[in-house]
This record gives sequence, C-alpha cells and structure tokens, in this order.
Amino acid sequence: AQSVTQPDIHITVSEGASLELRCNYSYGATPYLFWYVQSPGQGLQLLLKYFSGDTLVQGIKGFEAEFKRSQSSFNLRKPSVHWSDAAEYFCAVNSGNTPLVFGKGTRLSVIA
Amino acid sequence: DGGITQSPKYLFRKEGQNVTLSCEQNLNHDAMYWYRQDPGQGLRLIYYSQIVNDFQKGDIAEGYSVSREKKESFPLTVTSAQKNPTAFYLCASKRAGEAGANVLTFGAGSRLTVL
Repeated sequence: AQSVTQPDIHITVSEGASLELRCNYSYGATPYLFWYVQSPGQGLQLLLKYFSGDTLVQGIKGFEAEFKRSQSSFNLRKPSVHWSDAAEYFCAVNSGNTPLVFGKGTRLSVIA
Repeated sequence: DGGITQSPKYLFRKEGQNVTLSCEQNLNHDAMYWYRQDPGQGLRLIYYSQIVNDFQKGDIAEGYSVSREKKESFPLTVTSAQKNPTAFYLCASKRAGEAGANVLTFGAGSRLTVL
C-alpha cells in the first residue's frame, strides 16, 4: 500500500532563513506528487505538483520541490522564509485516478 | 467564482445524534472526496465518488454515510455509530481523466464538535 512519511512534525525557522521540508513516499507505480499548505482552520491550497519531466518543479509563493526517484523523496524548499509562510504543510501521492494519500503534515513556525 | 462550499463551518452535536455536512461544487468536477483531519494525523479518506450514484469507502468509512445524487453535491452524514466524531472535515473535488486534471481542490472545511 502506498504511504507518505513526513519525518518532521514541527519545524521552527527564522524569517529570511532557508527552509527544507522532507517527504518520503512508498508507491509501487510511477507516482504523482503534491505539496499542499493549510492555514489554521482553512482548507488546503496546492503549492506545487510533479507528474513527469523535469524533476525540479516550481510552485507558488516561491516554493520549489525536487523529485528524487532513487531516494523516494520529494522535498519542499524555499530560499528565504517569510512570516506569512507559517502554516501546516502536507505532502501527498497518488497515481492516476486513485485517491490522494497524505502525510501527517509538518507544522512550520517562523520567528523574527 | 468557481469553488467548493462546505456548510456549516462549525457544528455542535450531542452524542447519539446524526449530523449531515454539506459539500457543493460548481467546478463541474467529476470526482468528490471527504477527508477527516485530526491533529497530528494528517488527512484520512472517508468516502469518495467518481461518478453520480456511485461511491466507494475510504480508509475510515465506519460510522459515516454519503450520497451522490447530483454531480455538484456530496453530503456526508456522521452517524451515531461513529465513536469519535469530533474532527475537522474537508471536502475536495477534481476532474477525472488525464494526469493534468489530477489536482484536488478543497473546501474550507467544517469543524464538528460532539458535546
């Protein structure tokens, strides 16, 4: 069965510092990979997705992620974090029309 | 603007009562989903429907029921059989078909609290 692991439950970074959120997946087929962001009490917003092609994908709000098949990873990065980036981040995977499987999320706190 | 509307945003229920959460979309999406979110647990799939009048159980369907009589609507009923219903419920939808359509759009969620 497919699964997604986000090893970090909570990360705190200083404003202006770089950020990397880790995501590892277990999936038999070629995966479609996603990162979503959620502000408190809100729904989820898509940050970026990988279906095929270039393994480095760009998303909204200055985020990017790199698909590494050999490591079964799809880590999310941002070079300079802003206070407004504080939120919960979810990695998700599926293939074709199967339902998305989500990781448990990483909560990001940003300090001045 | 197109989107997904979930109502109510907050709902309080006494033990033993059934409640129904509404989810309506005007995106002309084929597939609709219900997820449950608990702190530290991520999103877990309750039910999904890929076509009108058809739906499938997800990982945690026990104590829940759904219907899909119209393409736009996918209500979720939390029954009295659900032992721990207090949670945040998220509805989502997407187009069926090619990979480019394979992106979920989410509603703003409904928070259910059992008193």
